[in-house]
Amino acid sequence: DQQVKQNSPSLSVQEGRISILNCDYTNSMFDYFLWYKKYPAEGPTFLISISSIKDKNEDGRFTVFLNKSAKHLSLHIVPSQPGDSAVYFCAASAFGGAAGNKLTFGGGTRVLVKP
Amino acid sequence: DVKVTQSSRYLVKRTGEKVFLECVQDMDHENMFWYRQDPGLGLRLIYFSYDVKMKEKGDIPEGYSVSREKKERFSLILESASTNQTSMYLCASNLGQANQKLFFGSGTQLSVL
Repeated sequence: DQQVKQNSPSLSVQEGRISILNCDYTNSMFDYFLWYKKYPAEGPTFLISISSIKDKNEDGRFTVFLNKSAKHLSLHIVPSQPGDSAVYFCAASAFGGAAGNKLTFGGGTRVLVKP
Repeated sequence: DVKVTQSSRYLVKRTGEKVFLECVQDMDHENMFWYRQDPGLGLRLIYFSYDVKMKEKGDIPEGYSVSREKKERFSLILESASTNQTSMYLCASNLGQANQKLFFGSGTQLSVL
């Protein structure tokens, strides 16, 4: 049973518009959340993270929102650019011991930004 | 910059072969991880190691083993490769503290025929 789910396998958006990627989790022990971006034939690269003590974190064009009560987080990309076309993975970790260093990933959302 | 290097980008092996995937990191990270990536399933953790000679099973350890004889090197071993182990394998590392982001290698695309 997947503890981290990205229910939209793909997303297409026009350049300059907003991209919204969603992620749901089931494990209430998760307290740290990350988004990774992956281009074909490359490893995932870290994009942005958020701790459970916050509900929003912003870094340039990227903002992550966390709704703990709904066990839901989202990534907003504004404005979207063609170079943002990639697969985006949501990930989560739980506090404590080795589990605090282990990430559980969602299935990914493929984003296509059209010029 | 952290560098995580995987020895092969592409590998083709036959069913039943023993397969070694090698990973080296250059940032003195305590933790190292092996994931596999499959369409729709995201990245799933196979094994991880938080110290030399230490290992822990991830979510899908069956059919795999690992070795960490040196801090910088973490090997994934497929004892007897099967077709359902055809996948993209990703190695990662991070510091031995909570809430540390992972640094990934470029991946090894393994095909088992």
